[in-house]
Amino acid sequence: DAGITQSPRHKVTETGTPVTLRCHQTENHRYMYWYRQDPGHGLRLIHYSYGVKDTDKGEVSDGYSVSRSKTEDFLLTLESATSSQTSVYFCAISLDRVEISEQFFGPGTRLTVL
Amino acid sequence: SQELEQSPQSLIVQEGKNLTINCTSSKTLYGLYWYKQKYGEGLIFLMMLQKGGEEKSHEKITAKLDEKKQQSSLHITASQPSHAGIYLCGANTGGATNKLIFGTGTLLAVQP
Repeated sequence: DAGITQSPRHKVTETGTPVTLRCHQTENHRYMYWYRQDPGHGLRLIHYSYGVKDTDKGEVSDGYSVSRSKTEDFLLTLESATSSQTSVYFCAISLDRVEISEQFFGPGTRLTVL
Repeated sequence: SQELEQSPQSLIVQEGKNLTINCTSSKTLYGLYWYKQKYGEGLIFLMMLQKGGEEKSHEKITAKLDEKKQQSSLHITASQPSHAGIYLCGANTGGATNKLIFGTGTLLAVQP
């Protein structure tokens, strides 16, 4: 158990509203990731972080922003939610060995944008 | 860019039967990870393979990485209903940030 929690676990919102998802870890790992999971696409990386205030884009970053002001928290923000952002969002951490390290996942947040 | 292809996409087996899931990469694999996901839940890490020819087992699940390091297989022996779920393979994309790409998953159903 890597001590990863996500909040909220479920959210329904309307198009055009801002949404923030939170990922919290208890073990001070350096690397954190946000993915979305959609049928037929598997898991796709949205953004990742390699330290406090150090973040970078993944393959599907358009429409999303992230912030990491503390080691334990990694926030994903949808500035203006769209229906195409309806998905299941997973946060992950990796152990602090670089290049080759398994990732451990949180329980996920199911987001529905109406 | 690197891509991972899993086969089959879905699989239904009778309890007690053996099965194999494959993960093929478009590029050489430097780290290959197998995960299991139950519906509505997060991913559970199963195994990591790094070296060509490497084989690892956990209970009745065995994973192998071929010598050329472009394909991995996951074999389940004497399947049980508890093995049901989605199996995903992931691979390192290189670099110091440990980013992974994932296959689209294999949905396994085990009929009692």
